[in-house]
Parts: sequence; C-alpha cells; structure tokens
Amino acid sequence: QKEVEQNSGPLSVPEGAIASLNCTYSDRGSQSFFWYRQYSGKSPELIMSIYSNGDKEDGRFTAQLNKASQYVSLLIRDSQPSDSATYLCAVAGGTSYGKLTFGQGTILTVHP
Amino acid sequence: DTGVSQDPRHKITKRGQNVTFRCDPISEHNRLYWYRQTLGQGPEFLTYFQNEAQLEKSRLLSDRFSAERPKGSFSTLEIQRTEQGDSAMYLCASSLAVQGYGYTFGSGTRLTVV
Repeated sequence: QKEVEQNSGPLSVPEGAIASLNCTYSDRGSQSFFWYRQYSGKSPELIMSIYSNGDKEDGRFTAQLNKASQYVSLLIRDSQPSDSATYLCAVAGGTSYGKLTFGQGTILTVHP
Repeated sequence: DTGVSQDPRHKITKRGQNVTFRCDPISEHNRLYWYRQTLGQGPEFLTYFQNEAQLEKSRLLSDRFSAERPKGSFSTLEIQRTEQGDSAMYLCASSLAVQGYGYTFGSGTRLTVV
C-alpha cells in the first residue's frame, strides 16, 4: 500500500464546474496535510494546508480533512482553464516527521 | 528574498560521470530538502538538513548519492558514477522547522544521463 495515494486521473471538468481531488494516507499519526499545484515543466507550489478535521476555505479552494477516515480532499470551485495542472497531495508527521511524503499526483484539465 | 535557487537548471552527462547540483534556500529557512521527481510521479524524498545537520536520508538512496550543507546555508547534491536511471528532475525545497510549515521549492535541476 502506498503511503499517500491520490485518485487516478486524469480528471477533466468543464470551465465553471467544481473539480474534486481526493487523497488517502496510510500513517494514522500524520498531522499536517498539504496540496501543491504543479504546472507542466515547473516545480510544485503550495496552494493549501490543513491540520484539523473539517473544511478550510481559501478563495476558490476548499481543503477537507477527515483523520478518522485518513482522507483529505481539495475542491476547486468555478474551475478555470488556468487551473489545469497536476495536483499533489503531501502529508507530514507520524513516521514522516520532518519531511513531506507526496502522492503521485492527479492531472486536472479544465476545458472551455 | 529571491526564493529557492538551484543551479544548474539542466545537466546532460554521460553515464559514469559525476555530477554536482547546488541549492540556495530562502535565507530565513533552517530546513533544506532534496527530492527527485520522474515523469508522472510525485516528488520522492532523498534527504534533508536542519541547519548543517543531515537528519534523514532515504533508505532507497544509493551510496552513490551524497549531500552536504556546510555552514547551514547552501547545499550540494552529488551523484557519483551516474546511471541512466538517475535521469530525473532534482528538486530542492526549504522551510522553517515548524510543524506544518510548507515547503518552498526551487525550479529544479533536470538531469539527463546519456
């Protein structure tokens, strides 16, 4: 079992729709959760972080965390073509203390 | 602050040669990380430093890989006797040693071993 697993892509949504990206993790001691966006040929950039169960909203982005289910998700409302990228879920804490463990990424395409 | 800088941006080398990459972190950040990323995969952890101390190194990492961070500032990653399987993007990131503090990545060094 992979330590951090993301829903298989690619994911394609129409402009204006909600894109839903999912991630599960195996280490129950994990404490910090991050979403990074990576454009093709570029390095990852941090878009959201979440530490407590529930929802955290930042503009069009909402991160959701459920530690009991070991599940974290990212919702992108009013998706734009500029949101087309690979989204990486990353987890820290537990046995990964001090470093982030990344999922394999989900490719999102927003078509006009 | 100019962010995390990596040099070179691209490196093409022949199999068997040694290569060295450099990373300059954000000056206020005391942690520095090295990751490797291949096409279609997420970044894979290699090693990290807190100040000048190397705190963890991936068990998957061959002994051909070595990293240093003298004086707790910039870091170098050296790969000896390169193999074609070493071809990847090598990413450096820095952060504060605060739980939950996210990384800032550099632009990466793309290594091609021919």
